[in-house]
This record gives sequence, structure tokens and C-alpha cells, in this order.
Amino acid sequence: DGGITQSPKYLFRKEGQNVTLSCEQNLNHDAMYWYRQDPGQGLRLIYYSQIVNDFQKGDIAEGYSVSREKKESFPLTVTSAQKNPTAFYLCATKGGTEAFFGQGTRLTVV
Amino acid sequence: EDQVTQSPEALRLQEGESSSLNCSYTVSGLRGLFWYRQDPGKGPEFLFTLYSAGEEKEKERLKATLTKKESFLHITAPKPEDSATYLCAVLGNSGYALNFGKGTSLLVTP
Repeated sequence: DGGITQSPKYLFRKEGQNVTLSCEQNLNHDAMYWYRQDPGQGLRLIYYSQIVNDFQKGDIAEGYSVSREKKESFPLTVTSAQKNPTAFYLCATKGGTEAFFGQGTRLTVV
Repeated sequence: EDQVTQSPEALRLQEGESSSLNCSYTVSGLRGLFWYRQDPGKGPEFLFTLYSAGEEKEKERLKATLTKKESFLHITAPKPEDSATYLCAVLGNSGYALNFGKGTSLLVTP
């Protein structure tokens, strides 16, 4: 089955806890992205990576961290510094003329 | 800075009632305009990429068109299963990631 796999689908975080969201792709795309989606706000860019071992901050990177050790993987860590982490997180890849999304992870602070 | 504005925010149609969704944009050098469909709780599903004014693409009941300032997503004879949020995004010369509008929520009633 090809595409982008995000896991878990649902994630609950306690106050002060770091959590990591997984994003794996088998599309052989170089570019990968993390977006956050909140009701009424559209998709906002957190981080992106154009190649392995390189990544750049997006518009709302504070409180988040990423790594890109393999072409296939781009995990996102939501740290305790992110004060309002409850949201729907989407991973995307881009290759050529198309950009595809995973099915998302819904993170809730409890 | 790239900007994308979608209108209307919400649209309700009767089954078979054709209409159009609008995506207005400002961008420094358009490298691509993207349309997506998003169902509740799911990741966006890629529909089209348009690159230059005058370009048109079709898929089933959907047709996307592009001018130098806006794109339209025309929905012909919609069915209830076309109900979803439709997202527009642009990729410009100044950025490496897609910049999204807030979307249009479409409801098609029988």
C-alpha cells in the first residue's frame, strides 16, 4: 500500500509531556511537511524538509521539533513548550507536480 | 508574502444545482495552485494542480480553472457525496511549502 502513513491516529498528552507524531512515506518524495489544522484557521506550516538531514522552520515552529534522518521519515515532536497543542496534525510530501497528505493525527491535551 | 482567500466560507446546494467556489491569490511567481477535498477527520485528498492562466482540469463533476488572480472550482450537478471542505493552496517562488486558504465547506442536500 503506497502513500503516507501517520501514527497514531489519536494521541493524548498530559501537561508538561513531550509526544512524538510519526510520518512515514514510500513515495520517494524529497520534500516533507508538517501542518497544523485548527477549526476556522486553515492549515498552518510548522516545519518542512527539502532533503535528508535538513529542515526549516515554518510559520508556527515554536514548541515543536523535527528530525529528518531518513528520506522516508519525518517525525514531529510536540514539546511541553507548546502551550496550546490540541489540534489536528497533518504530514505531507511533495514530488513533481503533486503534493499528498497523510490521514492526520488528532492530538488532545488531557 | 503569498496570500490565499477562499469564498464563500460555506455553501449549501441542492443535489443537481451547479455552482463555483472561488480562490483568490497573491503570489510572487506562481509555481502551482493546488485544490484538495477534505472530509471530516481525514487528511486532504489531492484533486488538481494548475500552473498557468487559462489552464483547466477536470475530474468527474469537478472542473478547476485558473486566471492570473484567481481559480474557480466548478461543481456540475453535485451529489450528496460531494459534500466536503474544499481547500486551495499556492506555491510561489518565495516559498518552499504550500500556502493554504481557509477552505469552503460544501453541503449538498438530496
